[in-house]
Amino acid sequence: GAGVSQSPSNKVTEKGKDVELRCDPISGHTALYWYRQSLGQGLEFLIYFQGNSAPDKSGLPSDRFSAERTGGSVSTLTIQRTQQEDSAVYLCASSLETNKRPWFGPGTRLLVL
Amino acid sequence: LAKTTQPISMDSYEGQEVNITCSHNNIATNDYITWYQQFPSQGPRFIIQGYKTKVTNEVASLFIPADRKSSTLSLPRVSLSDTAVYYCLVGDKGSNYQLIWGAGTKLIIKP
Repeated sequence: GAGVSQSPSNKVTEKGKDVELRCDPISGHTALYWYRQSLGQGLEFLIYFQGNSAPDKSGLPSDRFSAERTGGSVSTLTIQRTQQEDSAVYLCASSLETNKRPWFGPGTRLLVL
Repeated sequence: LAKTTQPISMDSYEGQEVNITCSHNNIATNDYITWYQQFPSQGPRFIIQGYKTKVTNEVASLFIPADRKSSTLSLPRVSLSDTAVYYCLVGDKGSNYQLIWGAGTKLIIKP
């Protein structure tokens, strides 16, 4: 596609449920990033994938968060046993390479009740 | 990774030039300065990047003094559609994904 796409655009879930957020990066981009943005705040880095290298998971806030990137393209961010503090916008971005500027998707707005 | 300080909010009027200043006292030799724009319900969008002196593109100009401890994003002749949050980030290009994002500057353009 023309840009980074994310689905769903909005997700409401109940505390304790698992959620999966999907990111489709720009075709040909080898680097993929996940960020979290709370209301009125800047972006918080979560995880980074570059090609076939091991992902940089240093930003994941707890072991309830995990992410995969299959075939070097689509990525899924999974949050297990969601908590109310997980409510935020989850943004995905991709770039041609690590040191190239990232292009952001529209985000998935997650609300945990 | 250098931390940045910028005003929480600014107001201006259509047709005016808007300058948003960002402080980054601990900028390192290899660090670049990058500005992003974010509209409500959208992801951030790259505006401009620079290392020193002045950079200009079709959207904005970026002024960086010799000591590089601050930078100013200049938006010429703003319109209502420039209402957005503007983020200043500083870091090495190779680790740009780990840049520290502050709360940004919320710019409101009035008619």
